[in-house]
Amino acid sequence: AAGVIQSPRHLIKEKRETATLKCYPIPRHDTVYWYQQGPGQDPQFLISFYEKMQSDKGSIPDRFSAQQFSDYHSELNMSSLELGDSALYFCASSQQGLGNTQYFGPGTRLTVL
Amino acid sequence: AQSVTQPDIHITVSEGASLELRCNYSYGATPYLFWYVQSPGQGLQLLLKYFSGDTLVQGIKGFEAEFKRSQSSFNLRKPSVHWSDAAEYFCAVAPDTGRRALTFGSGTRLQVQP
Repeated sequence: AAGVIQSPRHLIKEKRETATLKCYPIPRHDTVYWYQQGPGQDPQFLISFYEKMQSDKGSIPDRFSAQQFSDYHSELNMSSLELGDSALYFCASSQQGLGNTQYFGPGTRLTVL
Repeated sequence: AQSVTQPDIHITVSEGASLELRCNYSYGATPYLFWYVQSPGQGLQLLLKYFSGDTLVQGIKGFEAEFKRSQSSFNLRKPSVHWSDAAEYFCAVAPDTGRRALTFGSGTRLQVQP
């Protein structure tokens, strides 16, 4: 079965640089979520999109933005990167009618030097 | 706002022994409940979920969980642990209103001794 695809899998950036993470949801899933997981932490919700509109917002820094495109893929844009942004970034997708069951991608490991 | 408590940060069991991981939640109504497993540096794999109905739910890899409304708990169990079960286990909740973010517990790291 198709799963959530995230790219790149690993990313190394310098402080103050920008980064773009991509997420391709499971086909026919209409909602995409972004989570951030710091070292030894549980995943923290950043933002979600339903049918290409922002659906919910969590603890996403103002330096971050995200959008969902017409093909339902989503991108998380991160600017002015800080050392503390080093984390695993997960994308998850769900389909209305399936009880909000979220399926996660493998994650993008971002390292900020 | 909902919250999740996993009281055990780290558990060690012997291979073949039974396992129970605890999860307590706080929410005004009955939320959607989930257990996910994460191997080091990997993504989160859904083990099982509870929405309504039968309070004992079966998942993948021989796991099951029981929802107890009176105790606001959703404990994960496995009758016989395999070495490959060593991982981090997260309990998560979401409001039963659809398309809402998951709130995770802090996780329980499971070690399996030979």
